Amino acid sequence: AQSVTQLGSHVSVSEGALVLLRCNYSSSVPPYLFWYVQYPNQGLQLLLKYTSAATLVKGINGFEAEFKKSETSFHLTKPSAHMSDAAEYFCAAVGDGGATNKLIFGTGTLLAVQP
Amino acid sequence: NAGVTQTPKFQVLKTGQSMTLQCAQDMNHEYMSWYRQDPGMGLRLIHYSVGAGITDQGEVPNGYNVSRSTTEDFPLRLLSAAPSQTSVYFCASSYSEDYEQYFGPGTRLTVT
Repeated sequence: AQSVTQLGSHVSVSEGALVLLRCNYSSSVPPYLFWYVQYPNQGLQLLLKYTSAATLVKGINGFEAEFKKSETSFHLTKPSAHMSDAAEYFCAAVGDGGATNKLIFGTGTLLAVQP
Repeated sequence: NAGVTQTPKFQVLKTGQSMTLQCAQDMNHEYMSWYRQDPGMGLRLIHYSVGAGITDQGEVPNGYNVSRSTTEDFPLRLLSAAPSQTSVYFCASSYSEDYEQYFGPGTRLTVT
């Protein structure tokens, strides 16, 4: 079955520390992967996307993610956390073999940034 | 462009009542979808549409109806609200040849 797994429902880092949010996908999904961010009481905003081009993808707000096919992973990183990064982050993959635009979402990771 | 808009932002219903959540987009996107977001479960697809007049079920369609008479609008109808439908509902849209989806601000629904 197609699935997206996010390890760690809650992650806490200190301001200035490395942010690492983990995402693994089932090998049956096509390689179209996304990270979305949701700030409190808001909708989802695209951070970055992988669509079979460069394996290291740069997004907004200093985030980047690396597609590793051998590990079926698409982890999100940021070298130095800022207080404004506190939000919930969702990894998503295209389902249905890409036949439709249906997205499969992970369960989300809530990032807390401590001063 | 307003992007994807949703109304209302908040709604409280009693069990058994019906209502329609509105979604509109002004980007001429062919694909539109409805998700519900529940704590610890991420977003789950309710219904989707690949174009006007074409709709299909997602992962959790029971208790919801949709129709797509125009490219712009994709309303979600709750036929007889149940407490299990208490959730935050998001509408999203995209071009059919691009998997990137644009999300609306959400509707927070409480069913008592």
